[in-house]
Amino acid sequence: VHLVQSGAEVKKPGESLKISCKASGYSFSAYWIGWVRQKPGKGLEWMGIIYPGDSDTRYSPSFQGQVTISADKSSSTAYLQWSSLKASDTAMYYCARQEYGSGSSADYYFFYVDVWGKGTTVTVSS
Amino acid sequence: QSVLTQPPSVSAAPGQKATISCSGSSSNIGNNYVSWYQQLPGTAPKLLIYDNNQRPSGIPDRFSASKSGTSATLGITGLQTGDEAEYYCGTWDSSLSAGVFGGGTKLTVL
Repeated sequence: VHLVQSGAEVKKPGESLKISCKASGYSFSAYWIGWVRQKPGKGLEWMGIIYPGDSDTRYSPSFQGQVTISADKSSSTAYLQWSSLKASDTAMYYCARQEYGSGSSADYYFFYVDVWGKGTTVTVSS
Repeated sequence: QSVLTQPPSVSAAPGQKATISCSGSSSNIGNNYVSWYQQLPGTAPKLLIYDNNQRPSGIPDRFSASKSGTSATLGITGLQTGDEAEYYCGTWDSSLSAGVFGGGTKLTVL
């Protein structure tokens, strides 16, 4: 199982950007996949996930409306997109295959990242 | 601040045991499964523990974890210098409807 991410990006504030993550070695449509942000010297921040099988998408409240997560089943590729970058978006972005689900009555949830990409560095600077 | 609270740093001698705590609430750790990750310097995180105490294949049994109430603990025995890394806990937060991570703990083996 591999997640191969697109290369480093250097952008100016206000520009748009779409980074990618190509999955291989497993059935892309059958697993949740998403993104985790790590700012320089800081911890991990969960951004959101998508289930490629039906495009069901969940966002962290911190990132809702700030980014768009999408997936293309035909190419087994997940995407993270910004319409207008800010300097505060400067970070490493990890593509992450995630196991996620709930008990029959949604009385508990399981969640973990079992496969990580190597990361895409995004630098936003004027 | 992170939803899950971890000590910023932990240290222990080679061959000894280190424990890292992760504290949350009923909306996250209290009712959901916990996972743990190791991030070596300059690399992507790696899954160490899932579903509170399960090790993926390839993870040595020196790594173990437990959960009690709204807290979880990662234990590492037989410490090696190669274990020096940042360790993160993670879980689902039912109130946020989002995955959450702890702030991370830097383990120093001295």
